[in-house]
Amino acid sequence: DAGVTQSPTHLIKTRGQHVTLRCSPISGHKSVSWYQQVLGQGPQFIFQYYEKEERGRGNFPDRFSARQFPNYSSELNVNALLLGDSALYLCASSRARGNQPQHFGDGTRLSIL
Amino acid sequence: QQQVKQSPQSLIVQKGGISIINCAYENTAFDYFPWYQQFPGKGPALLIAIRPDVSEKKEGRFTISFNKSAKQFSLHIMDSQPGDSATYFCAAETQGGSEKLVFGKGTKLTVNP
Repeated sequence: DAGVTQSPTHLIKTRGQHVTLRCSPISGHKSVSWYQQVLGQGPQFIFQYYEKEERGRGNFPDRFSARQFPNYSSELNVNALLLGDSALYLCASSRARGNQPQHFGDGTRLSIL
Repeated sequence: QQQVKQSPQSLIVQKGGISIINCAYENTAFDYFPWYQQFPGKGPALLIAIRPDVSEKKEGRFTISFNKSAKQFSLHIMDSQPGDSATYFCAAETQGGSEKLVFGKGTKLTVNP
């Protein structure tokens, strides 16, 4: 079975631009979470979506938004990009909510110039 | 505020040796504790996880030891191999809430041949 797939794998943007990152969960998984991983640090939680509704949000500004589609895929949007947004953005999926194993994709490497 | 403290930051062991990574947490509401392995350019891969109702869980060469009263848990890698060289993250999640994994800062393990 295919794992969590994310696109694009790499992206270069300039300050002030907008970016959309995409995630397809493992087949049968209904929950998708987004994490930001800065170089040398552990992932930081951004959002969790389950059954197309936001179920959790981390300590990130309103420039970050996300949504989940009827097929359980998800998009993460970041507006007005800042240099500090440069990071690896990870998507994780799980079968359901609550203490379920979360499986990560290989992420999108976002570089802001 | 770092809710999960991980040590050491880096670890070098010889092939065949035992690698031990420690984590401590503060939030007593945490009740699910996974460990992830991450290779360069890849997303974190779930290794093994434990819930606080057991003190130890073993899967192959990987063992989690859990001390609820001390709010500490550790990963032991027996017979460490060069292929185990990666960054390891401990994480914690609360029950019933959003699937927010709180990660430690990671341990870079190098296993010398």
